[in-house]
Amino acid sequence: SQTIHQWPATLVQPVGSPLSLECTVEGTSNPNLYWYRQAAGRGLQLLFYSVGIGQISSEVPQNLSASRPQDRQFILSSKKLLLSDSGFYLCAWSVGTGGPGTQYFGPGTRLLVL
Amino acid sequence: GQNIDQPTEMTATEGAIVQINCTYQTSGFNGLFWYQQHAGEAPTFLSYNVLDGLEEKGRFSSFLSRSKGYSYLLLKELQMKDPASYLCACASGANNLFFGTGTRLTVIP
Repeated sequence: SQTIHQWPATLVQPVGSPLSLECTVEGTSNPNLYWYRQAAGRGLQLLFYSVGIGQISSEVPQNLSASRPQDRQFILSSKKLLLSDSGFYLCAWSVGTGGPGTQYFGPGTRLLVL
Repeated sequence: GQNIDQPTEMTATEGAIVQINCTYQTSGFNGLFWYQQHAGEAPTFLSYNVLDGLEEKGRFSSFLSRSKGYSYLLLKELQMKDPASYLCACASGANNLFFGTGTRLTVIP
């Protein structure tokens, strides 16, 4: 069966500090991978998605970046965090079937920028 | 552009039936998903509709009308484990899911 891991679970960071969140998937090959952010009182916002190693699509301009160094690893980064980066960050995976495969979410990382 | 509307909050009694409506506007519509999200947790998949009609899965059913841009999630025999936010999401193209802000369901004993 497939499992998805995210770490850390919670993070408190000062404004201007760097960020690195990691997501790994087990039990599947060549998944589509996604990063979402959920701010308080708002819907899930797609930040990045990837259909393969080194292939990243950005949905929203921001000070975040994403990388996919391995097939089942997806990393979200920032060089300098802003207060507005606080939120619940969720990684998700789906199987690429040519259609909108169901996305399955990891447990999430709760980020607070102070 | 893309837009999803669903009620912010709903309240129902344990054992009752509740219907959560969702209307959407999107280009390149490729299906509609419903997710359940308990407080502080990640969303979990409930249902997917791409054709018009009703899909039933246990106590949960989901309906889609593409011509009306409308869907609903029906929860039967409400239980005390059902309080959560229920998220409606439109698939656009192969990889994009556009989520609504969710409907927070409260269940009264």
